[in-house]
Formats: sequence, structure tokens, C-alpha cells
Amino acid sequence: DGGITQSPKYLFRKEGQNVTLSCEQNLNHDAMYWYRQDPGQGLRLIYYSQIVNDFQKGDIAEGYSVSREKKESFPLTVTSAQKNPTAFYLCASSISGILGAKNIQYFGAGTRLSVL
Amino acid sequence: AQSVTQLDSQVPVFEEAPVELRCNYSSSVSVYLFWYVQYPNQGLQLLLKYLSGSTLVKGINGFEAEFNKSQTSFHLRKPSVHISDTAEYFCAVTGYNQGGKLIFGQGTELSVKP
Repeated sequence: DGGITQSPKYLFRKEGQNVTLSCEQNLNHDAMYWYRQDPGQGLRLIYYSQIVNDFQKGDIAEGYSVSREKKESFPLTVTSAQKNPTAFYLCASSISGILGAKNIQYFGAGTRLSVL
Repeated sequence: AQSVTQLDSQVPVFEEAPVELRCNYSSSVSVYLFWYVQYPNQGLQLLLKYLSGSTLVKGINGFEAEFNKSQTSFHLRKPSVHISDTAEYFCAVTGYNQGGKLIFGQGTELSVKP
């Protein structure tokens, strides 16, 4: 089955620790996105990538880093600089990063990150 | 800059009653509009989209929405809800100059009671 796989489902971070959230897609999509979801705030864009080896900051990139070395993978690292990392993180992908029907975004099941 | 406002954070309704979830947007350019649904501890699933053409769009699970350009609205409706429709609903917008980025509203929690 084609889709987007996020792992782990639950993740705990200790003070001063970096953690990496995995996002893999087998949809052959060019564009991938990372969102952070907090109660009552909707989804906010952290980073996005329209093509392999290229990515751009979203609205809340501080304290996060990404890489896009392969088309199917877009891991997100939550660094120790992110002081309030507790949230639900969602990865999405779309056929293309341009406008139109090809931009419909498909989402993974999410990773819930908590601080110990 | 674009923005999306979902006017109700919570909507309680009884089973088999009609429901409307309201969404207003602001944009200086032509927009594409989406409604997504999120069940607890899951990702988002696309309900419906407006890209062009007819302003009344039909989606999955019996939902529909109407794009109203003059009122900059994209309200979601269902004539008769079920318990299984209990979820959070998100309205989202993107424009031609946004590189495919979606701007989401804050979400509306629909609670269907028996």
C-alpha cells in the first residue's frame, strides 16, 4: 500500500537532547512538509521541501533541522534549542510543490513528542 | 499574506441534525481551498477541495462546501451527521504564490451526541 509512514508514534526527549522524527513516503511525491500541531492552534509549518536536496524554512523553523537526501525521506530533528518541543508532529507530501490539484497534501499518522 | 479563520472552536450537535462549520479566509490572490478531517491521534484526511469551476463541491462522507468569493468564505456542511463524524475539522488555503504551502485554520471540534 502506498502512503506516508511516520515513526515512532510516541517519542520522549530528555533535557538537552536532540531527537529525530522519521518520515518516509512511497508515493513518488516530490514535495514533503513538516507541521507542528498544538491544541487550539491548528497546524503550523516547520519546514518544507519541494525537491530532493532542497528545503525551505516554514513559519516556526527555529530549533528544528531537516534533510532531504532521498526523495522518499524527510527526517526532522528537534534540537535542544527548541525549548517547548511537546507537540504532535505531522509529515505530509504532495505530488508537486506548485499550485493546483498536484498540490493536494497527504498526511502521515503523526508522532507525539513529549519532554521527560 | 493569507490567513484562515474558523469561527467556531467547538460545535456540539445531536445525531441526525444538520451541521455547518464556518471558515473565512483572507487573500489578495486567487485561492485554492481545502477541508481536512482529523480523528483522535491520527493524521489529516482530505474531505474536499475547491480548485476551480463549480462553487459547490462535494466530498467524502456526505460533506459539501460552498466557495463564496464575495464573502471570502468556504463553509462546510452536512445535512445529517452521525456519531462517527465526531472529529476535528481543519480549513486550509493556498495561493498561486505560496509554493504549495497550506495555511491552516485553528480547527473546529465537532462533537456528535446521541
